[in-house]
Amino acid sequence: QSVLTQPPSVSAAPGLRVTISCSGGSSNIGSYFVSWYQQVPGTAPKLLIYQNNWRPSGIPDRFSGSKSGTSATLGITGLQTGDEADYYCETWDGSLSTYVFGPGTKVSVL
Amino acid sequence: QLQLQESGPGLVKPSETLSLTCTVSGGSISSDFFWGWIRQSPGKGLEWIGSIYYSGRTYYNPSLNSRVTISVDTSKNQFSLALSFVTAADTAVYFCARQSYCSGVTCSKDSWGQGTLVTVSS
Repeated sequence: QSVLTQPPSVSAAPGLRVTISCSGGSSNIGSYFVSWYQQVPGTAPKLLIYQNNWRPSGIPDRFSGSKSGTSATLGITGLQTGDEADYYCETWDGSLSTYVFGPGTKVSVL
Repeated sequence: QLQLQESGPGLVKPSETLSLTCTVSGGSISSDFFWGWIRQSPGKGLEWIGSIYYSGRTYYNPSLNSRVTISVDTSKNQFSLALSFVTAADTAVYFCARQSYCSGVTCSKDSWGQGTLVTVSS
């Protein structure tokens, strides 16, 4: 049972936009930066967003991140079939003294 | 290009110690980064195990703290994980990763190994 909450799945047609929410509390998202990862099944997670809204080199600007209060959001625009994957949010929890991950959201391209 | 590779036994008996090594190539483990272990099981999703700095400074997930030891060998550009008294609940894919883009205690994991499946069974 994760302290972070994500929707199990989201879907949209190619070219459209999806958003994935990550809800937490004051001891985690409310106090610390959020990272987002993309994981294609059978492979390692890949960092998409760090410090709430920054993209590492090589990550297209179709991916964006934001944070407000105790929630964070990942947005994907211009959805492509290659975006089909599981997406995880992550942050530090000051009460638990550990990194915590969300349960993951499966993105499907219709 | 930085690469990380996990290695170690794929099968461990209950109550024994799980031992894995992560070999870093394309970069020095003695650079200004923390290096961590994360595992993924169907039942518990992604779980951070702990991290180490090249100086040997460590910090661990409190839920595993009593069973975890992470060490570093700078001469081999490797860091290692030891998890003692394993049970079936420790069956998972184990990843090693570099922690970067840090601010305070919060870092992101920007480079990952491919992961290795460890099964705990007699």
